[in-house]
Amino acid sequence: EAGVAQSPRYKIIEKRQSVAFWCNPISGHATLYWYQQILGQGPKLLIQFQNNGVVDDSQLPKDRFSAERLKGVDSTLKIQPAKLEDSAVYLCASSPPVLLRRNSPLHFGNGTRLTVT
Amino acid sequence: EDQVTQSPEALRLQEGESSSLNCSYTVSGLRGLFWYRQDPGKGPEFLFTLYSAGEEKEKERLKATLTKKESFLHITAPKPEDSATYLCAVYSGGSNYKLTFGKGTLLTVNP
Repeated sequence: EAGVAQSPRYKIIEKRQSVAFWCNPISGHATLYWYQQILGQGPKLLIQFQNNGVVDDSQLPKDRFSAERLKGVDSTLKIQPAKLEDSAVYLCASSPPVLLRRNSPLHFGNGTRLTVT
Repeated sequence: EDQVTQSPEALRLQEGESSSLNCSYTVSGLRGLFWYRQDPGKGPEFLFTLYSAGEEKEKERLKATLTKKESFLHITAPKPEDSATYLCAVYSGGSNYKLTFGKGTLLTVNP
């Protein structure tokens, strides 16, 4: 099966600029996540979708971050305006239906590395 | 709030030198503990799921164990290709299937 696709792989922007990341999950995975991974840290959940509805965005800085998942498939994460502390890897993950999660919990893409200068 | 603490932060081994990584957790009710491997520039790759104290899982040179307070990832006779960051995560149940990750242990195996 094809994995989780993310683009771009790298992005360098100046502070106060805007940026968008794209994710295409594994086919059939209704649950989609965006994680932020700062260098030397573990992934931190930003937002979780079930189909095209948000189920958890408690740690999303909503004054600057937004995300959508139109039609319950692809997703886009946007930052506007970016700050220096947003420099991180943004990982997208998807999860299979409940009955298949026992040995296949979350599948991650390779992430987008964002550098804010 | 679920908490996951991994130790050590970094570990350097010689090839063939066995050791263990630790993951301690604080959750209201553990529904699953997961180990992932992350190579530089890549997303985390799933290794194991453990569900109950006493459970063990093995894969090649890796063995994961679980108690009521912590999990260990034992690495037997490691090879340089085992070098990576190993992440531990927990799921404590609820309507949202959400994993909380630790900071990881950076393992370096020297030839």
